[in-house]
Amino acid sequence: DAGVIQSPRHEVTEMGQEVTLRCKPISGHDYLFWYRQTMMRGLELLIYFNNNVPIDDSGMPEDRFSAKMPNASFSTLKIQPSEPRDSAVYFCASSYSAVAFFGQGTRLTVV
Amino acid sequence: ELKVEQNPLFLSMQEGKNYTIYCNYSTTSDRLYWYRQDPGKSLESLFVLLSNGAVKQEGRLMASLDTKARLSTLHITAAVHDLSATYFCAVALSTGNQFYFGTGTSLTVIP
Repeated sequence: DAGVIQSPRHEVTEMGQEVTLRCKPISGHDYLFWYRQTMMRGLELLIYFNNNVPIDDSGMPEDRFSAKMPNASFSTLKIQPSEPRDSAVYFCASSYSAVAFFGQGTRLTVV
Repeated sequence: ELKVEQNPLFLSMQEGKNYTIYCNYSTTSDRLYWYRQDPGKSLESLFVLLSNGAVKQEGRLMASLDTKARLSTLHITAAVHDLSATYFCAVALSTGNQFYFGTGTSLTVIP
C-alpha cells in the first residue's frame, strides 16, 4: 500500500478564496483523522471519521471549515473563505485499531 | 479536556549521552504512542504502548508506560546525530479512538 496520500502537497491562495484539501486513507482503515500543525498550537485534531461517519468535529475552529468523507477511500477538508491565520500544515491520518498512519501533509499558505 | 504535556520542549545533547523525555497526560488512557517527525516531513510511528508497565525498545530508544501515574518516558541511550528530530507522544482516549498529541520535544544531537 502507498500509505496515506494527500493532495496537494503545497497550496498558496489568496485570502477569501476557497481551499480544498484531499486525502486518500490506507485501504481497510476505518478511522480517518484531520490534524492541523502550527508552531504556536502544535498538532490539533480537527475532526475524525469512523466508517465514513463524522464522530467528533469539536476541533474544527470555525464554520469556515468543513470536512466530508463520501466513501471509504476519500476525504476532503474545505476552508471557505480562507484567512491568513489558516496557514498551517494539514495532516490526514488513518488507522485500523491501534496505530495512526500519517500522510505527507499539505502546507497551506494564505496570503 | 485532555492535556498531554511533554518535557523538555527542547533538548540539545551530545553524542554518546543518555537522556529521557517525559510525557504526562491528564485523563485515563491505556494507549500511548510515540512518533518521530523530521523537519518538513510527516509523522512516523515509533512505539505503541497498550498496557500499564509496557516497555518497548528499538535501537537506542526505549519507551515505557505507567498508566497509574499517567506518565510515559522515551529514553535515549548513547545518542547519535541521526536521532535529531521532534518526538511526540500521543494519547488515545479510552472512550474513543481519537489521538491527542503532546507539544513535542525537539531533539538536537551534537557531534
